[in-house]
Amino acid sequence: KNEVEQSPQNLTAQEGEFITINCSYSVGISALHWLQQHPGGGIVSLFMLSSGKKKHGRLIATINIQEKHSSLHITASHPRDSAVYICAVSLRAGGTSYGKLTFGQGTILTVHP
Amino acid sequence: KAGVTQTPRYLIKTRGQQVTLSCSPISGHRSVSWYQQTPGQGLQFLFEYFSETQRNKGNFPGRFSGRQFSNSRSEMNVSTLELGDSALYLCASSDGAYTGELFFGEGSRLTVL
Repeated sequence: KNEVEQSPQNLTAQEGEFITINCSYSVGISALHWLQQHPGGGIVSLFMLSSGKKKHGRLIATINIQEKHSSLHITASHPRDSAVYICAVSLRAGGTSYGKLTFGQGTILTVHP
Repeated sequence: KAGVTQTPRYLIKTRGQQVTLSCSPISGHRSVSWYQQTPGQGLQFLFEYFSETQRNKGNFPGRFSGRQFSNSRSEMNVSTLELGDSALYLCASSDGAYTGELFFGEGSRLTVL
């Protein structure tokens, strides 16, 4: 079993729909990252969370440390949101190790106009 | 402020050769992390450097090595290339602090023939 599990693996939506991507992890973490990858490869960091909730524009990320679960929400989805969304965790360890990430398998999101 | 720069962007090598990839972090960032992305294994952590010291290492064979220079630029080297080393190699920089967000480069796409 992977240490980081994402669901769903594929998600298709119509423009304007509310989208939720889930991430569960099985180990203690120091931080959780939500990343976005467009075709061509470049990765953009959307959020870094250690507790609670963060919001950037139409994107909202939440984390429940006790339940080892995080969600990424996209409100009023748009075709330009089509990308792969990746959850990654920094495992809890001695010292600072925030570049050492364990990744989920990614969620491929397609938003149709 | 310039972003993270990776060179070369694309390269083709043959089995048995070696390759060196370069990553220039955002000015002022002291941490550089390297990741490998393949269709089969997804994203995997290679190593992290902070102030010229390797701070963490992933589960890769000794053929994969790296270093960081005093100006924080980092290189990774893969010796005795195998077909399975074909991948997108990504680096990310951060200030190395607890709340340090990761900034990714566009990646170097390596094809081994």
